[in-house]
Amino acid sequence: NAGVTQTPKFRVLKTGQSMTLLCAQDMNHEYMYWYRQDPGMGLRLIHYSVGEGTTAKGEVPDGYNVSRLKKQNFLLGLESAAPSQTSVYFCASRGTGRTYEQYFGPGTRLTVT
Amino acid sequence: EDKVVQSPLSLVVHEGDTVTLNCSYEVTNFRSLLWYKQEKKAPTFLFMLTSSGIEKKSGRLSSILDKKELSSILNITATQTGDSAIYLCAVEIASGSRLTFGEGTQLTVNP
Repeated sequence: NAGVTQTPKFRVLKTGQSMTLLCAQDMNHEYMYWYRQDPGMGLRLIHYSVGEGTTAKGEVPDGYNVSRLKKQNFLLGLESAAPSQTSVYFCASRGTGRTYEQYFGPGTRLTVT
Repeated sequence: EDKVVQSPLSLVVHEGDTVTLNCSYEVTNFRSLLWYKQEKKAPTFLFMLTSSGIEKKSGRLSSILDKKELSSILNITATQTGDSAIYLCAVEIASGSRLTFGEGTQLTVNP
């Protein structure tokens, strides 16, 4: 049972390049989330999904797109990377029900030069 | 706009001290408040609080929610160097199953 995994762990991009971050969970969770974490700013929600085939915007969605074609996977895309997108990206998932907490992946450190 | 504020933002103590971390919130349609500990990598879950006045406890850590004051505290007694971490508070609203996080408190415990 791997929990939540993220690929890749590290990446360096040049401004204007594109990339996709992959999140996978094996807990059969309905909800999945993408956050970014910058120093002194906690975690900010980028996009989330409440089930397969659904996506919704979070607090800071601009410059990112997501897709949830399969229940266990949630992809985060950067179409044209900018230095402001240098950050650590965390994926999380959650089951349904009142007492479920969010489980986090190990993070992806992205640097855009 | 939903808002979660933590204080202090950073704290340095000596081993054996007791610390209290604060979290206050302004959200519509509150559902629960969660505390996470973040060391080098991913946040790990500590507590989920939904009812006012009921203390949750795990070893030297405890937490309580005050819905009247829209706040929560996290206490750590007899701190150890392994408690050094960022402690994150997050609030869930009833619709959408989203969490709004505070900025975090960076706790450093010196030997």
